[in-house]
Formats: sequence, structure tokens, C-alpha cells
Amino acid sequence: DAKTTQPPSMDCAEGRAANLPCNHSTISGNEYVYWYRQIHSQGPQYIIHGLKNNETNEMASLIITEDRKSSTLILPHATLRDTAVYYCIVRRPNQFYFGTGTSLTVIP
Amino acid sequence: DARVTQTPRHKVTEMGQEVTMRCQPILGHNTVFWYRQTMMQGLELLAYFRNRAPLDDSGMPKDRFSAEMPDATLATLKIQPSEPRDSAVYFCASGLVGTAHEQYFGPGTRLTVT
Repeated sequence: DAKTTQPPSMDCAEGRAANLPCNHSTISGNEYVYWYRQIHSQGPQYIIHGLKNNETNEMASLIITEDRKSSTLILPHATLRDTAVYYCIVRRPNQFYFGTGTSLTVIP
Repeated sequence: DARVTQTPRHKVTEMGQEVTMRCQPILGHNTVFWYRQTMMQGLELLAYFRNRAPLDDSGMPKDRFSAEMPDATLATLKIQPSEPRDSAVYFCASGLVGTAHEQYFGPGTRLTVT
């Protein structure tokens, strides 16, 4: 089962780092971890993905534990526009299960 | 700025009517996905095409839903006959499988069946 576990909601102060956790204890082999976010009423947007090494791009950083059973998405300086639902996905062939995600609210 | 386009953006129809939703994937992408999103079920994958061939449509109710890609620039999702429980936002996404560009989502079609 490629499902993930995320907290249903989190708050973060504007300008601070937002750390969003995800458990994927059944991840195996060469399965990648993908993160997407969905801002109200829009289609989901790709953020970042990784296999076992930490990854960083212009939007975020992804920290994957050594055993790969969990990961953390880091938004280094959260802004009000980062308020969204964040989905952590374990990517299996032909499986795209988004789950319920974490609703992040950035507070002024 | 290449984008996935979907039409119509909003559709209100009566139960029993046929509904056709259209999606234009980003040029050069080889995969197309159809998702349905409701408050109760979240985002559900309905169908998945690669190089215009259907790879997986197990998430789609076969008796009333059908998905096709008549050519590389058009994907369609049809519901016949529609039912109130089909009310949802339907998203199309296109991409290049196995890359960071795996899924670019369109703006969605909000369907209301009365």
C-alpha cells in the first residue's frame, strides 16, 4: 500500500519556516516521494520530489530520513500565498494516490 | 507559458444528460490524467493515458464514464447518463512520466448535476 500519513492541519507564522511531515513507512525499492500543493480552487501544483537524498529547489527543500520511512517538506520563509493543502505522495507505477494532505495556514 | 486547458470551466446539467469535458494537454507531454475531486473523497484518479493509450481506468465507473484521446492535443471525459453523485471538480493533468514534470494540472471543470 503506497498510502502516506500527514497531519490534517498546521499553522505557521509568516516569514518563518514551515516544516510539513509525512510518514510513508511502507515505501520500498525505487519509489520516489513527491510533494504537491493545492491552493484553494486551483489544480494541484508540483513542488519537489526525491528518492533518498535531500533535495532543494526554488520552492522548497525535501528531507528524507535514512530509512526512507518519512520525509519533511520545508518552506524556508512561508508567505501568505503558501496557504494551501500539501500532499505527500509515494509514487508507484500507475498509482497516484493523493490522500487527504495537510492544510497549511500561514498566519500574518 | 504552456498550460493545460480544460473546457468548460463550469457545467450545470440535469440528471440523465450527457456531459463531455475536454482537456488540451501541454504540447510534447506523453501522459494525461483525469482526476475527480470531492470534499468527501478528495482527489481520485479516474484514468491515465500514456502516448494516447489508456494505461489504467480502474478508478472510473465503466457503466457511465468513458475517457478517450482522439489525438495528442485532445483528451475527453464523458459521463452518460449523469447523476447527482457525479457533481465534483474534474481535473486533467499532463506531463512526462517519471520526471519532475510528471503532472501539470489544468484549472478543472466544476460539474453540478441537479
